[in-house]
Amino acid sequence: NAGVTQTPKFQVLKTGQSMTLQCAQDMNHEYMSWYRQDPGMGLRLIHYSVGAGITDQGEVPNGYNVSRSTTEDFPLRLLSAAPSQTSVYFCASRLSGPPSYGYTFGSGTRLTVV
Amino acid sequence: AQTVTQSQPEMSVQEAETVTLSCTYDTSESNYYLFWYKQPPSRQMILVIRQEAYKQQNATENRFSVNFQKAAKSFSLKISDSQLGDTAMYFCAFMKHVGNQFYFGTGTSLTVIP
Repeated sequence: NAGVTQTPKFQVLKTGQSMTLQCAQDMNHEYMSWYRQDPGMGLRLIHYSVGAGITDQGEVPNGYNVSRSTTEDFPLRLLSAAPSQTSVYFCASRLSGPPSYGYTFGSGTRLTVV
Repeated sequence: AQTVTQSQPEMSVQEAETVTLSCTYDTSESNYYLFWYKQPPSRQMILVIRQEAYKQQNATENRFSVNFQKAAKSFSLKISDSQLGDTAMYFCAFMKHVGNQFYFGTGTSLTVIP
């Protein structure tokens, strides 16, 4: 099993450009989430999904879109990149039910917006 | 709202010694889960140990153990026989029994000195 796979690992964007961060998991996990990690702030939830076709906003959703057409994939779209979106992005997944075992994380995408 | 506080931004320990990382949290929930995640320079988020709030017994995983004080809302991590590979950022995290969002602390950077 590959676990949670994120692509790309690194990306540089110009202000105003759009792009999609890819996330795929092969563990048949129902729940998937996107977090961003900024220095001194820990990880903050952007969007999450509890199953195919169901998504909801987290703590910092502005400037990002998500969709969940399959159980395996949960892409994160930056509509018009801004320097404030420079961050490390993590995708994570888990089984439904009580979060006894937490989430399994991908290896992250470091995004720089210039 | 849930908050997680890690009051030690940086710590160091001699190889083979024991170190304790502090974490406090604030919640009105009665049932929840607590986690410690390790993030080495590779950026990968690795689950170290977890604790279910309704269990009074402190969790242990090999050299890692926690001191869970529910009334005091404290969840410290003890690392025994520290190894060079323990050098990493450590994050304390909280999750409700029914929920999809991690609440992370700001992290403690641990350096193991040879």
